[in-house]
Amino acid sequence: NAGVTQTPKFQVLKTGQSMTLQCAQDMNHNSMYWYRQDPGMGLRLIYYSASEGTTDKGEVPNGYNVSRLNKREFSLRLESAAPSQTSVYFCASSAREGLSDTQYFGPGTRLTVL
Amino acid sequence: GNSVTQMEGPVTLSEEAFLTINCTYTATGYPSLFWYVQYPGEGLQLLLKATKADDKGSNKGFEATYRKETTSFHLEKGSVQVSDSAVYFCALTITQGGSEKLVFGKGTKLTVNP
Repeated sequence: NAGVTQTPKFQVLKTGQSMTLQCAQDMNHNSMYWYRQDPGMGLRLIYYSASEGTTDKGEVPNGYNVSRLNKREFSLRLESAAPSQTSVYFCASSAREGLSDTQYFGPGTRLTVL
Repeated sequence: GNSVTQMEGPVTLSEEAFLTINCTYTATGYPSLFWYVQYPGEGLQLLLKATKADDKGSNKGFEATYRKETTSFHLEKGSVQVSDSAVYFCALTITQGGSEKLVFGKGTKLTVNP
């Protein structure tokens, strides 16, 4: 089991460029999430998908779009990158374990927007 | 609203010292509580969790007890090692839109010196 995988690991963009961050999980989880991590801010939820075919906004969705392509894959798209989107992006998926869900995280994508 | 407050770091300790990282929360209902750990350059890993009042989560020598009366979930370890150097995040779950979502504290960086 690879768990949660993310590509690319690093990316540098210029302001206004677009890109898609890819995420896949092989644990047959229904729910998937995208977070961003900024210094001193912890992790903030961008979008989530409770099941295949559904997506919902999280705390900081502006400037992003997502696609739940199938049960395994959940991509995050930046249509017109801005310097404020420089961050580390984490994808996660979750499973019910006992009385609560447990989230499993990918290794992250470090994005710099110049 | 729902929020998590954890002690600000960085925390620097010598090997074999006692560790406490404070975490308090505000939540409606009865959330599950988590500690996640992030080693340098990696994604987050679940360290331990507790799903109801007075539950104690434990793993790798770390412990935390769900205290409803003080709305706290402090992380402790009796004797830290250099390999424990990492960023520690306290988190709670909330249920929205049919999915459980994590709300994170800002993280506490721990450095353990030999």
